[in-house]
Amino acid sequence: KQEVTQIPAALSVPEGENLVLNCSFTDSAIYNLQWFRQDPGKGLTSLLLIQSSQREQTSGRLNASLDKSSGRSTLYIAASQPGDSATYLCAVGQGTYKYIFGTGTRLKVLA
Amino acid sequence: DGGITQSPKYLFRKEGQNVTLSCEQNLNHDAMYWYRQDPGQGLRLIYYSQIVNDFQKGDIAEGYSVSREKKESFPLTVTSAQKNPTAFYLCASSPTGVGLMSEQYFGPGTRLTVT
Repeated sequence: KQEVTQIPAALSVPEGENLVLNCSFTDSAIYNLQWFRQDPGKGLTSLLLIQSSQREQTSGRLNASLDKSSGRSTLYIAASQPGDSATYLCAVGQGTYKYIFGTGTRLKVLA
Repeated sequence: DGGITQSPKYLFRKEGQNVTLSCEQNLNHDAMYWYRQDPGQGLRLIYYSQIVNDFQKGDIAEGYSVSREKKESFPLTVTSAQKNPTAFYLCASSPTGVGLMSEQYFGPGTRLTVT
């Protein structure tokens, strides 16, 4: 059974710092991996989608990498800003329209 | 603007009552999903639908029911049989064709409180 883990559960950094969020999964037979942002009390906003054949995707200050063999994905945020404060979730596309979500990393960027 | 709408944003019900949560999308997506989010837990799949008039149970379907009579609508009913219905409910859709998995898009969510 696929398990998705995100460590740490919470993270506080000063503004301007580059940071890395981690997502680990136990079954490497995935279709894709998607990173989301969730603000308190809101829905999920898609940040990046990496297909299983890809190694990384970039959007602005965000870069997501995927290493299927080791069961890991990282989300790199460059030059963090207070507006980046949110919970970041990863989801593994497992096939048959099934996505398995991690519990998220709650990020706070201090001004 | 294209997107997914969920209504209402907040819903309060008495124990023993059925309640229906609305989800509408104008993205022309084939697949739609319902998830439940509880504090400290990842999203858990309740039901999903690949096409109109077809839907499948997810991991926690007990106490819930859905319908998919139109491509753009996927309402979720929380029945009195659901033992712990208080949660944040999220609807999603994806432009998935047969054999493919693509990006999921989410609505703003409905927070249901049952007392």
